[in-house]
Amino acid sequence: ILNVEQSPQSLHVQEGDSTNFTCSFPSSNFYALHWYRWETAKSPEALFVMTLNGDEKKKGRISATLNTKEGYSYLYIKGSQPEDSATYLCALGAGSYQLTFGKGTKLSVIP
Amino acid sequence: NAGVTQTPKFQVLKTGQSMTLQCAQDMNHEYMSWYRQDPGMGLRLIHYSVGAGITDQGEVPNGYNVSRSTTEDFPLRLLSAAPSQTSVYFCASSRTGTGGNEAFFGQGTRLTVV
Repeated sequence: ILNVEQSPQSLHVQEGDSTNFTCSFPSSNFYALHWYRWETAKSPEALFVMTLNGDEKKKGRISATLNTKEGYSYLYIKGSQPEDSATYLCALGAGSYQLTFGKGTKLSVIP
Repeated sequence: NAGVTQTPKFQVLKTGQSMTLQCAQDMNHEYMSWYRQDPGMGLRLIHYSVGAGITDQGEVPNGYNVSRSTTEDFPLRLLSAAPSQTSVYFCASSRTGTGGNEAFFGQGTRLTVV
């Protein structure tokens, strides 16, 4: 069983602040790293799927980077808004058929 | 634009009862999977399928059966429900194996076993 660690577990930020979270994973057998956004009472939705070392992806105010050699990925949110409040999950694909999820980082944006 | 549809959304079972959680997708995805979400834990893979007629076990398969007779449907069966199976269950699909393809999730089924 692979160990995917996310930090912090939770954080509160003021509206307008920028923030970032970390996902750490074993770098051996790396295939892909996923980020999902999960709002309360909804289902997780994909933000990014990254496969290459050094990959950077961006969607609006949210971006992510990937370092497969040292086994980490960062998710950045610029200028947080209340609608960014959610749990952010990362998941490691090591081999084609299974994803191992971290426990998530719960973000609360205070208006 | 249905995507992944799970039924039911809520269910209460008595210990020892059996039931089937339904999952259907309309995106012609090859890969489908079932996860459970428990407090303080990440999503854990129960079973998965890489195509019709092919299934395999994930991290926590005990107490659950699956089958995949069509591309669209991937039901999860609880044979004899136990309180330890109280959880939120998510079905997900992706175009091929989820390693490099984003997963699309259903709305979840909240199951309570008393």
